[in-house]
Amino acid sequence: QQPVQSPQAVILREGEDAVINCSSSKALYSVHWYRQKHGEAPVFLMILLKGGEQKGHEKISASFNEKKQQSSLYLTASQLSYSGTYFCGIFPYGSSNTGKLIFGQGTTLQVKP
Amino acid sequence: DARVTQTPRHKVTEMGQEVTMRCQPILGHNTVFWYRQTMMQGLELLAYFRNRAPLDDSGMPKDRFSAEMPDATLATLKIQPSEPRDSAVYFCATGRTATNYGYTFGSGTRLTVV
Repeated sequence: QQPVQSPQAVILREGEDAVINCSSSKALYSVHWYRQKHGEAPVFLMILLKGGEQKGHEKISASFNEKKQQSSLYLTASQLSYSGTYFCGIFPYGSSNTGKLIFGQGTTLQVKP
Repeated sequence: DARVTQTPRHKVTEMGQEVTMRCQPILGHNTVFWYRQTMMQGLELLAYFRNRAPLDDSGMPKDRFSAEMPDATLATLKIQPSEPRDSAVYFCATGRTATNYGYTFGSGTRLTVV
């Protein structure tokens, strides 16, 4: 039931772009994205509720393909501050009224100068 | 900004001792989650509550772990007896009902069992 994130780790230079994918074996009601910096708690970035929905947060945006049961996080012109571990959290259909959020294993992003 | 308050921030204890971790949800948040984070397992859901009622604790070792929410301002996670394999960071996260909002994590309790 846990979503699968890919890649597991990414190393970028400042200014480069990255894509992080999150795939589920079950139909999804919604997808959350969080970022966790080293030694800190995860911080909510955005939620996608509808198939085809796209959202942005600074230069970080995400899309949700309901039919493919997946979401992608896009980091554009990456900055040093983007370094951290990115988690997707999913609500499979059937869990929408219970609020049970299941996280992927995380993707570690390192941005170098 | 509103915060989820977790105490203690760090705890070192000997194997076999009881450990109690506390979480104060943000006012108005009626859903409370307990997650455990380790390098190997990532973020594991242990238990969660809505309106103080436990909805699912299937991720929790029942023989030694217990989670309660005695009132709307306090959630607790207890381990008795603690074991070295329980060493991890335990996060509390809170939010509003269901799925339309993101969740706010507390700073976590880093537990070391020696």
